[in-house]
Order: sequence, then structure tokens, then C-alpha cells
Amino acid sequence: EAGVTQSPRYAVLQEGQAVSFWCDPISGHDTLYWYQQPRDQGPQLLVYFRDEAVIDNSQLPSDRFSAVRPKGTNSTLKIQSAKQGDTATYLCASSLGERLFFGHGTKLSVL
Amino acid sequence: GEQVEQLPSILRVQEGSSASINCSYEDSASNYFPWYKQEPGENPKLIIDIRSNMERKQIQELIVLLDKKAKRFSLHITDTQPGDSAMYFCAARASSGSWQLIFGSGTQLTVMP
Repeated sequence: EAGVTQSPRYAVLQEGQAVSFWCDPISGHDTLYWYQQPRDQGPQLLVYFRDEAVIDNSQLPSDRFSAVRPKGTNSTLKIQSAKQGDTATYLCASSLGERLFFGHGTKLSVL
Repeated sequence: GEQVEQLPSILRVQEGSSASINCSYEDSASNYFPWYKQEPGENPKLIIDIRSNMERKQIQELIVLLDKKAKRFSLHITDTQPGDSAMYFCAARASSGSWQLIFGSGTQLTVMP
């Protein structure tokens, strides 16, 4: 069974640039999560979906971050006008039930 | 909202000894507690989990204990090997915040040969 797939693996931006991250969850998993993991810290939830519906986006900086999952399968997380403080690994995870399975993440560096 | 505290942040043990990581949570309604292992450059991988209807669970050298009254849970790795060296994260599923998983800040475990 294929795991959670994310792309790109790495991104390097200047402040003010935009970037999009893409996630393909495990087939059949109805719930998809985006986490931000700063270096040497635990993952922090940004947003999660059940099918195509947003369940919780209360921790997503809505002025610059957006996330969609239009068909309830793949998802895209976008950062408009990146800041140095956005430097982190962005992890996508999916679940069917309690157990979350993570992708390898996108490591973002904002210079 | 829910907070999960994890200690210690750094743990060094000799090969063959045991390693223990402790976590505490705030929301008494939390009902699911997974542990993840993350090696450098890799994704976090689920290694063991426990639900609130259990007090102890063991998978090979991994033991998880849950004390609901104290709102604490812990991971014990017996007979540690160098391959156990990694970052470990605990998490709790909280009823506050739409049942999301809240992660601890991590423990960097080093097993010395």
C-alpha cells in the first residue's frame, strides 16, 4: 500500500514569495491533516479536512495560508507572501479512524 | 486548548538499558495516546498507541503506560539498541479543538554503544 505522498521535498524562497505544497493521502483515508513542524519541535496542526470539508482551520494563519481539498482526495496548502518565520517542515497526514500516517514532508526555508 | 508536556527533551542511555519518556495532558476527556518515532530527514512513524480503556500496552520492547487519574502516560523502551536513537513524540487526542491530535515537544533519544 502506498503511503502519504508529498511534493516537493524541499523549497527555498525569498520573503514575499508564494509556494504551494501538494499531498496525496493514503487511498481510502477520509481525513487529511496539514501540520507545521519547526526544527526540533513537535508537529502543530494547521488545518484538517474530512472528505472535502474543513473541520478545523483555527490555527491556519488565514491572511497568508490557504488549504483546499476539492474532491476529498488530494490537497494543496499554499503560502502567499512567505515570511522567515514560516521556515519549517510541512507535514501532511491522513487517517481512517484514529491512526495518523505522515508523509515525508516539504522542508521550507524562507531566506 | 489542550497542552501536552513531554519530558525529558534529551535522553542518553547505554545500549541494553531502558529508556523512559513521560508525557502529561490537560483534557481529562482525551481518549487516544499515540507515540511516534522520527529519524533525521524522515517522517514521524507511529510505533505504538493506547486508548483510554487500557492502562498498559506492550509491543516487543515498547511499553506504554497510561494513568488517567494523573493524566500522564509514558513510553518505556527496554533493552535499547543504537537503532532506537531518534526523536520521539507523544500525542493526545483532545475533545477540545475538534478531537485533533496535540503533540508534545519531543525527546531526542541517543543510545550509546
